[in-house]
Order: sequence, then structure tokens, then C-alpha cells
Amino acid sequence: SQQGEEDPQALSIQEGENATMNCSYKTSINNLQWYRQNSGRGLVHLILIRSNEREKHSGRLRVTLDTSKKSSSLLITASRAADTASYFCAPRGRTDSWGKLQFGAGTQVVVTP
Amino acid sequence: GAGVSQSPSNKVTEKGKDVELRCDPISGHTALYWYRQSLGQGLEFLIYFQGNSAPDKSGLPSDRFSAERTGGSVSTLTIQRTQQEDSAVYLCASIPPEDRAWNTEAFFGQGTRLTVV
Repeated sequence: SQQGEEDPQALSIQEGENATMNCSYKTSINNLQWYRQNSGRGLVHLILIRSNEREKHSGRLRVTLDTSKKSSSLLITASRAADTASYFCAPRGRTDSWGKLQFGAGTQVVVTP
Repeated sequence: GAGVSQSPSNKVTEKGKDVELRCDPISGHTALYWYRQSLGQGLEFLIYFQGNSAPDKSGLPSDRFSAERTGGSVSTLTIQRTQQEDSAVYLCASIPPEDRAWNTEAFFGQGTRLTVV
């Protein structure tokens, strides 16, 4: 099993700007998932990118995956105050027979009007 | 219900008391996770149930913590002799049956905020 490490730990931007955060992991994966957490409660799934995909879009979200560098990035375009949240990545690995779902410390994003 | 349900939403308990936290996963979901999140921190994995297999208890911080999942559905996390450092939000997540590539998202409850005074 493994967990991702998000970077930066915190990010402060203004509405309308783009926000980029990164995730690094250590072993080979089947997929990598991004989640959002508002106000310290339940996480919400944002997007899943498979190991054979390089880029995926969902609305204002763009996720890239570079398996050679063992890293992924999440880009939020034209950010809004409602995007203020913590963002977590979760790599699910081939090396873990159960695909245990683990999370890092997250990136805390604050979007100011 | 349509989502993962956790109860209670908030629990205040005195140091030394036992507490039970409940998680009702989405019907048909085979995997169930418990996590702990201290203020301003990431999610700490506690325990993982997968179908009828023995649970992965590797994240439980001490023998005061235990969890069970009855009938492959509802799960209860029990903390005995609570201590102040147990204060945190306890989150539950469930996952539908998955293929071997684990290409499935997790669904989270809203958590139980535990405060030990």
C-alpha cells in the first residue's frame, strides 16, 4: 500500500486565478484519484485517472499523470471561492493486493474574492 | 439512504469513558474504511474491511481501538478508555465491488467529531 504526498501544503489565490497542486508517489499504480474536503468533513471524489492515461478533464479540473516521474497534478482553472477546500490524492497501487486507499496530508487551498 | 451515514455527528465524552461510532455504508458496497483526522491534519488510516476477508487492522493506534462489521454492512468503531488525544473527526468510507485494477471511487460519510474532555 502507499499514499501520495501533496505539494504545496497550502495555496492562497484570488478568484479567477488558476490553482495547481501536485502529488508524488513511490510505487507503480493502477490509478490515481483526487478528492476534495470542505470544512473538515467527508471527502468527495473529483476525478480518477488510470495508469495508461496522461490527462483527464472534468469541468474546470484538469489532471495529468506522469508515471515515469511517479507524479500527478491537479489544475483548477478560473477558481471560485467555493473551491476553498483541502485536496487529497490517493494512488492505488499494483503492489498492494487489496488496493488499500490511503491519503497524504493534502493541499489546503484558499480562494479569496 | 443514498449515501454513507455516520452517527453521531458529534460526540463529547469524558476521559476514560468508552465510545462507539457507527457507520452505515451504501448498500452493496463491499469495502469499508475508517480514518481519523486530527485538526488541520491529513487522514490517518485506521482499519479496512473487504468483503468476508479478515480486516486490515494495521492502522489502529492502540489496543483501545477496535472495529467490527456485522453482516458485511454496518460497522462500529469502539474506543475504550478514551483519552484527550483521541479527539478528532472519524471518517468512514465505502467502496462498491471492484475489479482487480481498483478503478472505483470511495464514498465518504460526513464523519463523527469526537471531543474528549
